[in-house]
Amino acid sequence: GQNIDQPTEMTATEGAIVQINCTYQTSGFNGLFWYQQHAGEAPTFLSYNVLDGLEEKGRFSSFLSRSKGYSYLLLKELQMKDSASYLCAAVGNSGYALNFGKGTSLLVTP
Amino acid sequence: DSGVTQTPKHLITATGQRVTLRCSPRSGDLSVYWYQQSLDQGLQFLIQYYNGEERAKGNILERFSAQQFPDLHSELNLSSLELGDSALYFCASSPARGSDEQFFGPGTRLTVL
Repeated sequence: GQNIDQPTEMTATEGAIVQINCTYQTSGFNGLFWYQQHAGEAPTFLSYNVLDGLEEKGRFSSFLSRSKGYSYLLLKELQMKDSASYLCAAVGNSGYALNFGKGTSLLVTP
Repeated sequence: DSGVTQTPKHLITATGQRVTLRCSPRSGDLSVYWYQQSLDQGLQFLIQYYNGEERAKGNILERFSAQQFPDLHSELNLSSLELGDSALYFCASSPARGSDEQFFGPGTRLTVL
């Protein structure tokens, strides 16, 4: 089975750094994705990790520890437009579909 | 714009009815995925097709069915609709059937009254 856990809500200040954690349990493992979703819109890809370590892409970084079943998304220099839901998704060994957590709603305040 | 198109954008219908949602993947993508997003459940995987064949099934009800046609577009059929089927339905596509990035369409918002 699949189990993805992430915090429901977080609040951070414009210009700050925020870390969104995700723990997962999957049947097999073929990678961990992070997506961003603004209300009523489609999810958009942020990052993909399949090996342990940190992947950096501009203001966003994602970390994976396969042995701990743990990932985090790090957002630096927060902007108001970063207010959105951040979805952690693990890919198991069943058809490569994304198994999503319920998402973390991030509110960036001035 | 992800390159994935979905029609219709909005759909309002009554309980007991049947509807068809349509998805056209990005040019060249062979895999199509369907997801349901409701307020309390988050994004749930329904079904995946790869090059016309069913590849994997998730939490798809027996009242729901899908297919992928030779031109690679896909349709999701929802029948005997219930109030609880009201949700956003997303289609996503990817180049292959492996662990690569999925590109999501804009979704179809289904409201069952």
